[in-house]
This record gives sequence, C-alpha cells and structure tokens, in this order.
Amino acid sequence: DTAVSQTPKYLVTQMGNDKSIKCEQNLGHDTMYWYKQDSKKFLKIMFSYNNKELIINETVPNRFSPKSPDKAHLNLHINSLELGDSAVYFCASSVNAGPGSYEQYFGPGTRLTVT
Amino acid sequence: AQSVAQPEDQVNVAEGNPLTVKCTYSVSGNPYLFWYVQYPNRGLQFLLKYITGDNLVKGSYGFEAEFNKSQTSFHLKKPSALVSDSALYFCAVRDYKLSFGAGTTVTVRA
Repeated sequence: DTAVSQTPKYLVTQMGNDKSIKCEQNLGHDTMYWYKQDSKKFLKIMFSYNNKELIINETVPNRFSPKSPDKAHLNLHINSLELGDSAVYFCASSVNAGPGSYEQYFGPGTRLTVT
Repeated sequence: AQSVAQPEDQVNVAEGNPLTVKCTYSVSGNPYLFWYVQYPNRGLQFLLKYITGDNLVKGSYGFEAEFNKSQTSFHLKKPSALVSDSALYFCAVRDYKLSFGAGTTVTVRA
C-alpha cells in the first residue's frame, strides 16, 4: 500500500489555466505538507495543515490555495498558472506538527510543466 | 532562523569505498536534524534523525550520521558505498518547519 500518494504524476498545461493536485496519506498522520522543488532541486515548504487547519503558509502567492477536506487528504489548487510555477510538487505527512522529532513521509511528486 | 548547509554539490566515490556527505547546521536551542535521500524521479525517503542522546545515529540502508556539537556538523556516512547509493541527499533541520539544505548529488562508480 502506498503511504502517501499524489495525483497526477505529470501535469502539462498552458499559462493562465487552473489546475489541482491531490494528495492522500493512509498513515493515520495528523499533519500534511506541500513542498515545491525547483529546477535546481531546491526544496521549500509551501503549506502545512494539522487536523485540517492551516498552520504554515510560507509567503506563497494567493494563486495557490490548499484545501484539506479531512486529515488524510490535502489538495493544492493553482489559479492562473505562470511559467515560474513549473516545478515538482511534493506532498508529505508526519505524526504531528510539533517542533520536534517527527520525520516526514513524502509522496512521489507531481511534475508540473507550464507552457 | 534555523538552517543547514551542504558544502558539496557533488560527491564521487568508488564502490566499496567509504562515503561521507557533509552537513553543517545553525540553530538556536537543541537541533533536530535529519537526512533524506531522493532517488531519480522519486520522492524523498527518510534515512535517519538526531534528536538527543548518542552522537552516532544509525539509519536505513547501512547509513549512519555523526552529530558533532562543537563543529555544528551532522555528516552522513556509509562505510562501504554501493552503486545503488547514487542519489541526491538532503540534510534538514526542524523547528516549526523542515528546512532543507541544497542537496548533494552522490555518484558511486562501479
């Protein structure tokens, strides 16, 4: 069973379109995250949800809107896509959000290409 | 702000030789340090973590890391590298969020 899954795996779209990426975890974790990995492989957190509540929003443009219908799911909707949004987006989950020791489990990533 | 630095973009070793991937950290308070590995076209996989206790931490796939407070380092090591260890390795530090280093590409040649 896949612990953290994302759909789709690849997403190619044109500038100005709106798209969504879905994430699901079956680990029973309370906290989920979205990360962006750019073309230089640099990883940066975008959002974090704990029990469906937003707890981290790292100065991401308003065009990005996360939604957590329940604690096992965290979706990412992107409006008015721009060329600079091209990246690999990773979902992750952890036991909780405390500033402590809990490692995060990552999904396989969604490669978004904006043309 | 807490941060980690990986001074080497690339590390090349021959199979069977020791592998070391360097990481230094900057934190206020106790550090929570992690190593992750990313194989091509895959997500990140957790290797090991340092929270407290023994300075030598053992992890997955035969990897270990040594926490050195005086040198503020947390280097990843493997005594005998395999070709299959070729991947991108990330050091990370956690306070309220996980902050990653820039990554080190490891190539193990047969």
